[in-house]
Amino acid sequence: QKEVEQDPGPLSVPEGAIVSLNCTYSNSAFQYFMWYRQYSRKGPELLMYTYSSGNKEDGRFTAQVDKSSKYISLFIRDSQPSDSATYLCAMKRGSSASKIIFGSGTRLSIRP
Amino acid sequence: DAGVTQSPTHLIKTRGQQVTLRCSPKSGHDTVSWYQQALGQGPQFIFQYYEEEERQRGNFPDRFSGHQFPNYSSELNVNALLLGDSALYLCASSSPGTSQETQYFGPGTRLLVL
Repeated sequence: QKEVEQDPGPLSVPEGAIVSLNCTYSNSAFQYFMWYRQYSRKGPELLMYTYSSGNKEDGRFTAQVDKSSKYISLFIRDSQPSDSATYLCAMKRGSSASKIIFGSGTRLSIRP
Repeated sequence: DAGVTQSPTHLIKTRGQQVTLRCSPKSGHDTVSWYQQALGQGPQFIFQYYEEEERQRGNFPDRFSGHQFPNYSSELNVNALLLGDSALYLCASSSPGTSQETQYFGPGTRLLVL
């Protein structure tokens, strides 16, 4: 069993829709949770960074962490074609932990 | 402010050869991590360098080695290349001790082993 599970998609939604992306994990030691966006043939770009359980909002993006269920989510409101990319969830044990564990990524396509 | 840079962007090698990939961290960052990303997969941690020493290592064989220079730039070396080493190799830089030690990624080097 992988430490982090993420539905690979692809997920296709119309422009303006609300997108929900999710990951589950098995290691309760994870404390820091991240979402990265990766465009084709580019490196991952950090979108959201959260500590422990709770919600964090940044513009059209909201990240949610439920440690009791070992479940994290990323919501994208008013989705745009430019949001089309692969979204990677990621997590690590401590603030100075070296190793980030990534999900396999969800391919998202926003239809104009 | 230049972000993380990597060279070369693309590389083609044959089985058994050796390869060296290079990374320059973001300005102000002193720690470099290397990841391997196979097609359709998330990045996998190879190792991290800080103060010119390997600080932590993932589940990769000894064929994968690295180095960090006094200016914080880093190299990843892979010996005896296998077909399965074909992947995007990502470098990420960070700065321990800041309130939020996030890792910023470069564009990657795409390695194809034939």
